[in-house]
Amino acid sequence: QVLLQESGPGLVKPSETLSLTCTVSGGSVSSYYWTWIRQSPGKGLEYLGYMYYRGSANDNPSLKSRVTISVDTSKNQFSLKMSSVTAADTAVYYCASSRRGLFAGMDVWGQGTTVTVSS
Amino acid sequence: QSVLTQPPSVSGAPGQRVTISCTGSSSNIGAGYDVHWYQQLPGTAPKLLISGSTNRPSGVPDRFSGSKSGTSASLAITGLQAEDEADYHCQSFDSSLNYVFGTGTKVTVL
Repeated sequence: QVLLQESGPGLVKPSETLSLTCTVSGGSVSSYYWTWIRQSPGKGLEYLGYMYYRGSANDNPSLKSRVTISVDTSKNQFSLKMSSVTAADTAVYYCASSRRGLFAGMDVWGQGTTVTVSS
Repeated sequence: QSVLTQPPSVSGAPGQRVTISCTGSSSNIGAGYDVHWYQQLPGTAPKLLISGSTNRPSGVPDRFSGSKSGTSASLAITGLQAEDEADYHCQSFDSSLNYVFGTGTKVTVL
């Protein structure tokens, strides 16, 4: 059973870079598609980006290239970096996986981690 | 920011049938991309409920069903139960292979 666990600072200052890690257990990060999604308080889900371990990647154009997703096969983790954060980036951040391919649904989710952007 | 439109809320009495619509455009659902549905119980992460527009993953009760036609999709819940009270989100793709999400729908069991 594949399990995902997000980790990272819960508080980030405005203009700094948000960094989160998703640790994969019960499976290998050298498979599947790995995605980051967030949910602002009281709002819907927002796609941030995804990556396949062999290098193909995509990120939400509305975030104006602030997002970088990477995979670390040695640690069985994948990561999210978001630069120049503002209060609008305060949200619960989820990592998720599509084990049956990019166009299948995201069938494994982490529990989510809350990130607050504030000075 | 959401590309797909859902009703903010739907409600029904226990045992009733409710449907949730997910309306997109020719650049996402209408382009032939499948629609997936997620159930988000209060305070928890989303869970895949319907994949490939109509398929239920293992363990999902058969009272949940999905359909897709043209630029829209629908999720139906028949025999509504108290534990179905949750937020429901649809998801598809656009022509640049970005994930696109719906605005989300809160289901209330009366």
